[in-house]
Amino acid sequence: AQTVTQSQPEMSVQEAETVTLSCTYDTSESDYYLFWYKQPPSRQMILVIRQEAYKQQNATENRFSVNFQKAAKSFSLKISDSQLGDAAMYFCAYRSADSNYQLIWGAGTKLIIKP
Amino acid sequence: GAGVSQSPSNKVTEKGKDVELRCDPISGHTALYWYRQSLGQGLEFLIYFQGNSAPDKSGLPSDRFSAERTGGSVSTLTIQRTQQEDSAVYLCASSSGMLAVGWDTQYFGPGTRLTVL
Repeated sequence: AQTVTQSQPEMSVQEAETVTLSCTYDTSESDYYLFWYKQPPSRQMILVIRQEAYKQQNATENRFSVNFQKAAKSFSLKISDSQLGDAAMYFCAYRSADSNYQLIWGAGTKLIIKP
Repeated sequence: GAGVSQSPSNKVTEKGKDVELRCDPISGHTALYWYRQSLGQGLEFLIYFQGNSAPDKSGLPSDRFSAERTGGSVSTLTIQRTQQEDSAVYLCASSSGMLAVGWDTQYFGPGTRLTVL
């Protein structure tokens, strides 16, 4: 069975600095999708960025980028130029390419932005 | 609609009462999901619908929990004889359900915070 591990329960960063949130996963599959979701205090789970396992190129969305290391089964999220609005819980999730519903979730990392 | 909506936003109930939580998915999305999130925890999968059918109910924690979906749209999660351990945020998500296009990303509603006294 697949598992997703986020080893940092909490991270803090100074506003305008860069922070990296880690995520590792365990799978025997070769084709899958990886996601980072953000959950601010409003509770709304918001998709931040996603990556297809068969793509070598790391996904980028404005200030958010990933470092996808397939062999190491690592999928870290880098937030550049951190802003106060980035403060939230960040969840990493895995989905098999064969399944359209079974998202496997990490436990989350709480990101604190210091002004 | 523009996004996934859920109602009520907050629900406080007494132990032993029944509650119904509603989810209205994005228009055209055939797949719908219910999750439970306890305080400070990750998401726990409850049930998945494809159209009106629920191929996977394995996450429902007990027979007090049930869900239905009608017309391939609105879904209701019902918890009978609520217990204090049912207190949590219940999140609903929907997706296009079209696995062939690859992503089938799940989009979430704002959740219902259930408090059982």
